[in-house]
Amino acid sequence: DVKVTQSSRYLVKRTGEKVFLECVQDMDHENMFWYRQDPGLGLRLIYFSYDVKMKEKGDIPEGYSVSREKKERFSLILESASTNQTSMYLCASSLEGQGSTEAFFGQGTRLTVV
Amino acid sequence: KQEVTQIPAALSVPEGENLVLNCSFTDSAIYNLQWFRQDPGKGLTSLLLIQSSQREQTSGRLNASLDKSSGRSTLYIAASQPGDSATYLCAVSTDRGSTLGRLYFGRGTQLTVWP
Repeated sequence: DVKVTQSSRYLVKRTGEKVFLECVQDMDHENMFWYRQDPGLGLRLIYFSYDVKMKEKGDIPEGYSVSREKKERFSLILESASTNQTSMYLCASSLEGQGSTEAFFGQGTRLTVV
Repeated sequence: KQEVTQIPAALSVPEGENLVLNCSFTDSAIYNLQWFRQDPGKGLTSLLLIQSSQREQTSGRLNASLDKSSGRSTLYIAASQPGDSATYLCAVSTDRGSTLGRLYFGRGTQLTVWP
């Protein structure tokens, strides 16, 4: 059974903290993605990666960075958390192959910044 | 930029009805279209994947169709059940340049099926 696992279901952090959200997939997928989901705004792409050490900005990269040192792991980093980064964060992965394969999502991390 | 629209935004029906959820997209240069289900506070579960060369896919009571040229997809749910209550999201995978493989999402249809 394919699996994308996010390290935490719920997180509460203080303003200004450095926050790490971890995502691991066990399907040997090349593509990995980080989205955030907010009521009324839907899912918005933060960053994505096509390969180890490669990253591309999505639609809302400001305030975030990412790291992909190993193929199976894609980390989202909030350098200095702010209250407007309170959101549901979703990680996804898919195979390379011109986007013709199914995307799988993790269970989500609900982050609250206080 | 690809834009995906889902209609209706919300739907409330009695158990047993057959349902149609609609999805439209502005750029027909897609590689595939995927339908997801999301339960409150949870991640997304993939329901059906339609490749751009296909017209439809079926899984149990679910049937999804794709008309790539007109930029439309429908998700048909037969004999709806209370357990089908969730938000249904449509997403298309682009084939353009450096954004190859990324998904563009609609905002979803929130479905409630009451007994």
